[in-house]
Amino acid sequence: GDSVTQMEGPVTLSEEAFLTINCTYTATGYPSLFWYVQYPGEGLQLLLKATKADDKGSNKGFEATYRKETTSFHLEKGSVQVSDSAVYFCALRTGGGSNYKLTFGKGTLLTVNP
Amino acid sequence: DAGITQSPRHKVTETGTPVTLRCHQTENHRYMYWYRQDPGHGLRLIHYSYGVKDTDKGEVSDGYSVSRSKTEDFLLTLESATSSQTSVYFCATQGEGNQPQHFGDGTRLSIL
Repeated sequence: GDSVTQMEGPVTLSEEAFLTINCTYTATGYPSLFWYVQYPGEGLQLLLKATKADDKGSNKGFEATYRKETTSFHLEKGSVQVSDSAVYFCALRTGGGSNYKLTFGKGTLLTVNP
Repeated sequence: DAGITQSPRHKVTETGTPVTLRCHQTENHRYMYWYRQDPGHGLRLIHYSYGVKDTDKGEVSDGYSVSRSKTEDFLLTLESATSSQTSVYFCATQGEGNQPQHFGDGTRLSIL
C-alpha cells in the first residue's frame, strides 16, 4: 500500500539556518504530494503541493521538488525564523473520483531558537 | 481557508459512554474526512464521505461510525468510548478535482 517516510526529528535549529526535512514515498500510480504545517493547538494548514514529476511547490520561503526517480519530496528553506517552529507533515494522495485519500508521514517537529 | 467548524473543541468523558463529534463546513465540498492524531502515528484516516449518505472506512475504523445526512455536516460517533480512543480528532474537506484537503482546528477527546 501507499506509505510516506519522513525524518522524525525533533529538529532544532538556530534562526537563519538552512532547513531540510526529508520525505520519501511509496505509491502505486502517480501521486500528488503535499507538505502540511501544524502550529501548536491548531489544525493542519497546506504549505505547498506538487502534482506531477519535476513540479516545484513553494510558499512562504519553503520549497519542495517532486522527484519521481528518487520518490522524494524534501522540504527546504534557506533561512528559518522562530515563527517557523511547528510540526511538518509530508503527505501523498492517490486515487480519484470517490476515492481521494491522503496518506501522511508521522510528522517532524521543528524548533527554531533565536 | 475552508470554513470548517468542529464541535466540541474539548471533551472529557468516561469509558463506555457514547460520544458524537460534529464537523460543519460552509464550502459545499463534496468530500469529508475524519482523522485521529496520536504521537508517533501522524494522522490516520478513520472514515470518509464522498457525498451525502456515501461513506467508507479508513485504516482505523473499528469502534467508530459516521453519518452524513447533508452536505455540510459529517458526524463521527464512538458508540461506547474506550481509553484507546483518547486522541485529537480532525475533520477535513476537499472540493472536486485535484484540490487539497483543508482541516478544522481539531477536537481533543479524553476518555477516562
